[in-house]
Amino acid sequence: DVVMTQSPDSLAVSLGERATINCKSSQSILYMSNNKKYLSWYQQKPGQPPKLLIYWASIRESGVPDRFSGSGSGTDFTLTISSLQAEDVAVYYCQQYYHTPLTFGGGTKVEIK
Amino acid sequence: EVKLVESGAEVKKPGESLKISCKASGYSFTNYWIGWVRQTPGKGLEWVGIIYPGDPETRYSPSFQGQVTISVDNSITTAYLQWSSLKASDTAMYYCVRPFLPDVIYAFDVWGQGTMVTVSS
Repeated sequence: DVVMTQSPDSLAVSLGERATINCKSSQSILYMSNNKKYLSWYQQKPGQPPKLLIYWASIRESGVPDRFSGSGSGTDFTLTISSLQAEDVAVYYCQQYYHTPLTFGGGTKVEIK
Repeated sequence: EVKLVESGAEVKKPGESLKISCKASGYSFTNYWIGWVRQTPGKGLEWVGIIYPGDPETRYSPSFQGQVTISVDNSITTAYLQWSSLKASDTAMYYCVRPFLPDVIYAFDVWGQGTMVTVSS
Protein backbone atom coordinates (compact mmCIF):
# COMPACT_ATOMS: atom_id res chain seq x y z
CA ASP A 1 0.00 0.00 0.00
CA VAL A 2 1.06 3.61 -0.58
CA VAL A 3 1.56 5.20 2.85
CA MET A 4 0.63 8.87 3.12
CA THR A 5 2.37 10.79 5.91
CA GLN A 6 1.10 14.23 6.86
CA SER A 7 2.83 16.87 8.95
CA PRO A 8 2.32 18.52 11.28
CA ASP A 9 -0.48 16.77 13.19
CA SER A 10 -1.83 20.18 14.15
CA LEU A 11 -0.98 23.83 13.73
CA ALA A 12 -2.27 27.12 15.07
CA VAL A 13 -2.11 30.14 12.78
CA SER A 14 -3.19 33.73 13.29
CA LEU A 15 -6.07 35.05 11.21
CA GLY A 16 -4.75 36.36 7.89
CA GLU A 17 -1.50 34.42 8.14
CA ARG A 18 -0.32 31.52 5.98
CA ALA A 19 -0.90 27.88 6.89
CA THR A 20 1.18 25.15 5.27
CA ILE A 21 0.44 21.42 5.46
CA ASN A 22 2.76 18.74 4.12
CA CYS A 23 2.02 15.30 2.74
CA LYS A 24 4.55 12.69 1.69
CA SER A 25 3.80 9.49 -0.22
CA SER A 26 5.87 6.33 0.25
CA GLN A 27 6.21 5.99 -3.52
CA SER A 28 5.74 8.22 -6.52
CA ILE A 29 2.13 9.03 -7.43
CA LEU A 30 3.12 10.84 -10.60
CA TYR A 31 1.84 8.98 -13.66
CA MET A 32 4.44 9.61 -16.35
CA SER A 33 2.21 8.96 -19.36
CA ASN A 34 -0.09 11.89 -18.57
CA ASN A 35 2.18 13.85 -16.19
CA LYS A 36 -0.57 13.96 -13.57
CA LYS A 37 -0.05 13.65 -9.82
CA TYR A 38 -2.77 11.47 -8.32
CA LEU A 39 -3.11 13.47 -5.10
CA SER A 40 -6.13 15.15 -3.56
CA TRP A 41 -6.82 17.29 -0.49
CA TYR A 42 -9.95 17.32 1.65
CA GLN A 43 -11.28 19.60 4.36
CA GLN A 44 -13.40 18.19 7.16
CA LYS A 45 -15.30 20.35 9.62
CA PRO A 46 -16.84 18.90 12.80
CA GLY A 47 -19.98 16.89 12.17
CA GLN A 48 -19.56 16.99 8.38
CA PRO A 49 -18.18 14.60 5.77
CA PRO A 50 -14.88 15.52 4.13
CA LYS A 51 -15.08 18.00 1.26
CA LEU A 52 -12.86 17.76 -1.82
CA LEU A 53 -10.69 20.88 -2.10
CA ILE A 54 -8.00 19.98 -4.63
CA TYR A 55 -7.32 17.16 -7.08
CA TRP A 56 -4.44 16.42 -9.46
CA ALA A 57 -2.35 17.95 -6.65
CA SER A 58 -3.07 21.54 -7.69
CA ILE A 59 -6.52 21.88 -9.31
CA ARG A 60 -9.09 23.57 -7.09
CA GLU A 61 -12.53 22.04 -7.01
CA SER A 62 -15.27 24.37 -8.21
CA GLY A 63 -16.26 26.90 -5.53
CA VAL A 64 -13.09 26.51 -3.45
CA PRO A 65 -11.60 29.91 -2.55
CA ASP A 66 -8.34 30.79 -4.25
CA ARG A 67 -6.57 31.19 -0.91
CA PHE A 68 -6.28 27.39 -1.04
CA SER A 69 -3.51 26.09 -3.27
CA GLY A 70 -1.76 22.80 -3.78
CA SER A 71 1.67 21.97 -5.10
CA GLY A 72 4.23 19.22 -5.13
CA SER A 73 6.40 16.70 -6.91
CA GLY A 74 6.08 12.92 -7.26
CA THR A 75 6.22 12.19 -3.53
CA ASP A 76 6.13 15.49 -1.62
CA PHE A 77 3.07 17.70 -1.62
CA THR A 78 1.86 20.85 0.10
CA LEU A 79 -1.48 22.45 0.80
CA THR A 80 -1.24 26.17 1.49
CA ILE A 81 -3.89 28.46 2.88
CA SER A 82 -2.52 31.87 1.98
CA SER A 83 -4.56 33.94 4.44
CA LEU A 84 -6.31 31.92 7.12
CA GLN A 85 -9.96 32.74 7.74
CA ALA A 86 -12.07 31.69 10.71
CA GLU A 87 -14.11 29.34 8.51
CA ASP A 88 -10.93 27.42 7.56
CA VAL A 89 -10.70 25.82 11.00
CA ALA A 90 -10.92 22.14 10.15
CA VAL A 91 -8.96 18.92 9.71
CA TYR A 92 -7.24 18.54 6.35
CA TYR A 93 -6.43 15.21 4.71
CA CYS A 94 -4.39 14.24 1.69
CA GLN A 95 -5.23 11.15 -0.36
CA GLN A 96 -3.52 9.29 -3.18
CA TYR A 97 -5.59 7.71 -5.94
CA TYR A 98 -2.73 6.33 -8.03
CA HIS A 99 -3.02 2.81 -6.60
CA THR A 100 -5.74 0.80 -4.97
CA PRO A 101 -6.17 0.60 -2.07
CA LEU A 102 -6.66 4.35 -2.04
CA THR A 103 -4.99 5.72 1.08
CA PHE A 104 -5.31 8.85 3.19
CA GLY A 105 -2.92 10.79 5.34
CA GLY A 106 -3.54 10.94 9.07
CA GLY A 107 -4.91 14.47 8.98
CA THR A 108 -3.76 17.92 10.11
CA LYS A 109 -5.88 19.97 12.47
CA VAL A 110 -5.80 23.70 11.73
CA GLU A 111 -6.77 26.11 14.50
CA ILE A 112 -6.69 29.84 15.11
CA LYS A 113 -3.83 31.16 17.23
CA GLU B 1 -28.16 18.00 -7.88
CA VAL B 2 -25.87 15.02 -7.32
CA LYS B 3 -26.61 13.42 -3.95
CA LEU B 4 -25.75 10.36 -1.91
CA VAL B 5 -28.18 9.73 0.93
CA GLU B 6 -27.28 7.06 3.44
CA SER B 7 -29.44 5.04 5.77
CA GLY B 8 -29.67 5.91 9.45
CA ALA B 9 -27.50 5.12 12.44
CA GLU B 10 -27.36 1.53 13.65
CA VAL B 11 -26.68 -0.05 17.05
CA LYS B 12 -25.90 -3.75 16.92
CA LYS B 13 -24.45 -6.52 19.07
CA PRO B 14 -21.27 -8.44 18.20
CA GLY B 15 -22.03 -11.33 15.86
CA GLU B 16 -25.10 -9.70 14.32
CA SER B 17 -25.44 -8.97 10.61
CA LEU B 18 -26.01 -5.55 9.07
CA LYS B 19 -26.60 -3.97 5.67
CA ILE B 20 -26.43 -0.19 5.25
CA SER B 21 -27.47 1.64 2.11
CA CYS B 22 -26.61 4.65 -0.02
CA LYS B 23 -29.20 6.05 -2.43
CA ALA B 24 -27.64 7.91 -5.37
CA SER B 25 -29.41 10.54 -7.44
CA GLY B 26 -28.72 13.31 -9.94
CA TYR B 27 -26.26 11.45 -12.17
CA SER B 28 -25.91 8.35 -14.34
CA PHE B 29 -25.52 5.66 -11.66
CA THR B 30 -24.00 2.97 -13.87
CA ASN B 31 -21.24 5.22 -15.21
CA TYR B 32 -19.51 6.02 -11.93
CA TRP B 33 -17.80 3.81 -9.38
CA ILE B 34 -19.39 4.12 -5.93
CA GLY B 35 -17.63 3.17 -2.72
CA TRP B 36 -17.29 3.34 1.03
CA VAL B 37 -14.87 5.10 3.40
CA ARG B 38 -14.61 4.34 7.12
CA GLN B 39 -13.73 6.93 9.74
CA THR B 40 -12.70 6.18 13.29
CA PRO B 41 -11.07 8.45 15.87
CA GLY B 42 -8.09 6.14 16.11
CA LYS B 43 -7.41 5.25 12.45
CA GLY B 44 -8.73 8.29 10.59
CA LEU B 45 -10.06 7.79 7.07
CA GLU B 46 -9.79 4.33 5.49
CA TRP B 47 -10.94 3.27 2.04
CA VAL B 48 -13.11 0.17 2.39
CA GLY B 49 -13.83 -0.67 -1.22
CA ILE B 50 -15.69 0.30 -4.36
CA ILE B 51 -18.02 -1.12 -6.99
CA TYR B 52 -18.76 -0.27 -10.62
CA PRO B 53 -22.51 -0.63 -11.10
CA GLY B 54 -22.09 -1.00 -14.86
CA ASP B 55 -20.33 -4.43 -14.57
CA PRO B 56 -20.49 -4.84 -11.56
CA GLU B 57 -16.79 -5.10 -10.72
CA THR B 58 -15.85 -4.75 -7.07
CA ARG B 59 -12.52 -3.95 -5.42
CA TYR B 60 -11.74 -4.10 -1.71
CA SER B 61 -8.96 -2.81 0.45
CA PRO B 62 -6.96 -5.81 1.73
CA SER B 63 -7.84 -4.63 5.25
CA PHE B 64 -11.53 -5.18 4.54
CA GLN B 65 -11.46 -8.06 2.02
CA GLY B 66 -13.56 -10.92 3.37
CA GLN B 67 -14.90 -8.76 6.20
CA VAL B 68 -17.55 -6.84 4.26
CA THR B 69 -19.51 -7.11 1.02
CA ILE B 70 -20.30 -4.23 -1.31
CA SER B 71 -23.21 -4.56 -3.72
CA VAL B 72 -25.61 -2.46 -5.79
CA ASP B 73 -29.20 -2.52 -6.97
CA ASN B 74 -29.19 -0.61 -10.23
CA SER B 75 -32.98 -0.57 -10.43
CA ILE B 76 -33.10 1.75 -7.42
CA THR B 77 -29.63 3.35 -7.84
CA THR B 78 -28.55 2.17 -4.40
CA ALA B 79 -25.26 0.83 -3.09
CA TYR B 80 -24.89 -1.34 -0.02
CA LEU B 81 -22.26 -2.27 2.54
CA GLN B 82 -22.91 -5.37 4.56
CA TRP B 83 -21.43 -7.44 7.35
CA SER B 84 -22.35 -11.04 8.19
CA SER B 85 -20.89 -10.97 11.70
CA LEU B 86 -20.12 -7.61 13.29
CA LYS B 87 -17.26 -6.99 15.70
CA ALA B 88 -16.78 -4.18 18.19
CA SER B 89 -13.92 -2.96 15.99
CA ASP B 90 -16.44 -2.25 13.19
CA THR B 91 -17.75 0.67 15.25
CA ALA B 92 -17.21 3.72 13.02
CA MET B 93 -18.77 6.28 10.73
CA TYR B 94 -19.17 4.93 7.18
CA TYR B 95 -19.35 7.33 4.24
CA CYS B 96 -20.62 6.52 0.79
CA VAL B 97 -18.47 8.21 -1.88
CA ARG B 98 -18.36 8.86 -5.63
CA PRO B 99 -15.28 9.77 -7.73
CA PHE B 100 -15.15 13.09 -9.52
CA LEU B 101 -14.92 11.49 -12.99
CA PRO B 102 -16.89 8.63 -14.57
CA ASP B 103 -15.46 5.16 -15.16
CA VAL B 104 -12.37 5.65 -12.97
CA ILE B 105 -11.42 5.28 -9.30
CA TYR B 106 -10.22 8.77 -8.46
CA ALA B 107 -10.68 11.30 -5.66
CA PHE B 108 -14.19 11.69 -4.26
CA ASP B 109 -16.18 14.84 -4.92
CA VAL B 110 -19.49 13.53 -3.62
CA TRP B 111 -19.90 12.17 -0.08
CA GLY B 112 -22.94 10.89 1.76
CA GLN B 113 -23.81 12.31 5.16
CA GLY B 114 -22.42 9.20 6.87
CA THR B 115 -23.92 6.25 8.71
CA MET B 116 -22.76 5.71 12.29
CA VAL B 117 -22.47 2.02 13.14
CA THR B 118 -22.07 1.13 16.80
CA VAL B 119 -21.32 -2.46 17.81
CA SER B 120 -21.55 -3.11 21.52
CA SER B 121 -22.69 -5.88 23.80
